[in-house]
Amino acid sequence: AQSVTQLGSHVSVSEGALVLLRCNYSSSVPPYLFWYVQYPNQGLQLLLKYTSAATLVKGINGFEAEFKKSETSFHLTKPSAHMSDAAEYFCAVSRKSSNTGKLIFGQGTTLQVKP
Amino acid sequence: DTGVSQDPRHKITKRGQNVTFRCDPISEHNRLYWYRQTLGQGPEFLTYFQNEAQLEKSRLLSDRFSAERPKGSFSTLEIQRTEQGDSAMYLCASSFGGLAEYAGELFFGEGSRLTVL
Repeated sequence: AQSVTQLGSHVSVSEGALVLLRCNYSSSVPPYLFWYVQYPNQGLQLLLKYTSAATLVKGINGFEAEFKKSETSFHLTKPSAHMSDAAEYFCAVSRKSSNTGKLIFGQGTTLQVKP
Repeated sequence: DTGVSQDPRHKITKRGQNVTFRCDPISEHNRLYWYRQTLGQGPEFLTYFQNEAQLEKSRLLSDRFSAERPKGSFSTLEIQRTEQGDSAMYLCASSFGGLAEYAGELFFGEGSRLTVL
């Protein structure tokens, strides 16, 4: 069965500092991988996704993530945090072969950005 | 395009009552998903439809839960005989189904928060 583990339920950074949110997955074969963001009182929205093309994936708002098969990781980074990045971030996996589009989410990481 | 809309946004009910949530997906999308999210957890898959056909249901979806998408457009999620453990945010999402390039690209509504007293 597929699963996702996000290390750290809360991450706090200063404005301008590097953002690193960690995600590890468990799957018998490399899956599709996603990062979603949920701003307060809004629905989840897709930040970026990995579907077996380039291992370094660029998303919206300056975020990027790197797929590392040997580490079964898909960590999310941003070089310089903005106050507007404060939100909850979810890593998710989807099985390539099933084509259901069903996502399995991690438990989420709340990002706090301090002025 | 107004995105995915859900109604009601908040529902408070007493244990044992029935509740129904409605989801209007993005009109061009043929797939519709229901998820449940509890505090401090990620969304958990409940069920999904392709057009009007319900193609998969999670074991989380007990027989008190029923979902429909009668004409392949809006969907309803009904919970009968609610229990306190049903308190959660119920999320609806839609997507283009069947195209690999859109795999996993779900568009979520803002959710319907259920509180069972």
